[in-house]
Amino acid sequence: DTGVSQNPRHKITKRGQNVTFRCDPISEHNRLYWYRQTLGQGPEFLTYFQNEAQLEKSRLLSDRFSAERPKGSFSTLEIQRTEQGDSAMYLCASSLVGAVYGYTFGSGTRLTVV
Amino acid sequence: KNEVEQSPQNLTAQEGEFITINCSYSVGISALHWLQQHPGGGIVSLFMLSSGKKKHGRLIATINIQEKHSSLHITASHPRDSAVYICAVGNTGNQFYFGTGTSLTVIP
Repeated sequence: DTGVSQNPRHKITKRGQNVTFRCDPISEHNRLYWYRQTLGQGPEFLTYFQNEAQLEKSRLLSDRFSAERPKGSFSTLEIQRTEQGDSAMYLCASSLVGAVYGYTFGSGTRLTVV
Repeated sequence: KNEVEQSPQNLTAQEGEFITINCSYSVGISALHWLQQHPGGGIVSLFMLSSGKKKHGRLIATINIQEKHSSLHITASHPRDSAVYICAVGNTGNQFYFGTGTSLTVIP
């Protein structure tokens, strides 16, 4: 499978728990993006990496959210002390630097906070 | 005002009908994407356009750069086309702006 892979596909967690999602981008892609999509809305930008450097963070990314891409390959998105408002689809995408071509989305991780 | 506006928000069609979904944007772009999202599923990229027109099977996408407008057409629609269709525009800064999507239901 040469696409963008996200795990898990679904996550149900209790309010207050921490959760971590993983994204494996297309191997030659050096940019990796995280988006959040709530019901009835289009995806909203959270953050992106170029190789291992986190270059931009949205103000949507509160202190409870942290993202890493330690070796410039896969990335993790952690949410601490989850709240019900965090329930959403978390999407990962990857691309090559400077290109809007070949911008590929993963299937997403659907988070439900109960 | 959103940078990307789609219409209609919801669309119900009979199987076999010709469908058009519209996208207007207000930012300068390098490319425009049409994405398809099935219920509970991930996103699939249908088209990437920077000018003109593209066709893939029963799907046709057009873009008018001067008017900042794109359309996605589905010919001979089928129930399996039922999904949310999202317009996304990308600029040279690698920032993407997304429309809120058009929910399409095709009835047999």
